[in-house]
Amino acid sequence: GIQVEQSPPDLILQEGANSTLRCNFSDSVNNLQWFHQNPWGQLINLFYIPSGTKQNGRLSATTVATERYSLLYISSSQTTDSGVYFCAVALANNNDMRFGAGTRLTVKP
Amino acid sequence: GAGVSQSPRYKVAKRGQDVALRCDPISGHVSLFWYQQALGQGPEFLTYFQNEAQLDKSGLPSDRFFAERPEGSVSTLKIQRTQQEDSAVYLCASSLDQFVGQGGYGYTFGSGTRLTVV
Repeated sequence: GIQVEQSPPDLILQEGANSTLRCNFSDSVNNLQWFHQNPWGQLINLFYIPSGTKQNGRLSATTVATERYSLLYISSSQTTDSGVYFCAVALANNNDMRFGAGTRLTVKP
Repeated sequence: GAGVSQSPRYKVAKRGQDVALRCDPISGHVSLFWYQQALGQGPEFLTYFQNEAQLDKSGLPSDRFFAERPEGSVSTLKIQRTQQEDSAVYLCASSLDQFVGQGGYGYTFGSGTRLTVV
């Protein structure tokens, strides 16, 4: 099956700092999503981004499908950005989304 | 509804007890998914429904796990004779897409049910 690797596993930032989270995957995928799981366990869909670049406020994401990686950028981090960020991928016409192990982000005031 | 609703939010079961977890997806969403998330890990796929049809149950860990979606809306995940290793958060997600990402909609997750087997 598809392997999904996320790095770094843990990240501690001071409020206001920028960060880049990475997701590598082992096969060509047609579906890739980034999620944020808040400290209460709720998974929030941040981006559906199988290729290209998208931006939403302080967050942006880029997926280079041919090189099998995606990056999530967080700028001017806030304490509310804390939580675990997951990358999930799936093959075309396949609903078995595979999640990485996540990056645990802690933003300190 | 406005979001995916799961109940109960927390469930404590004695080993050997049967449990039923409910998921109420967003109205009109075709696809429904169940995931299991162990502590400190990413969610793992259990099963997928397209309307009332269970098209993929390859992730169900044993025959003690059973899921249904009889009318193509609400779904129930049932675990028989619970074991301690079943302790996890069970997440439900729904999507407007028949296949994830087909229309660019992605998943919407519920808040999950935290199951603790004692």
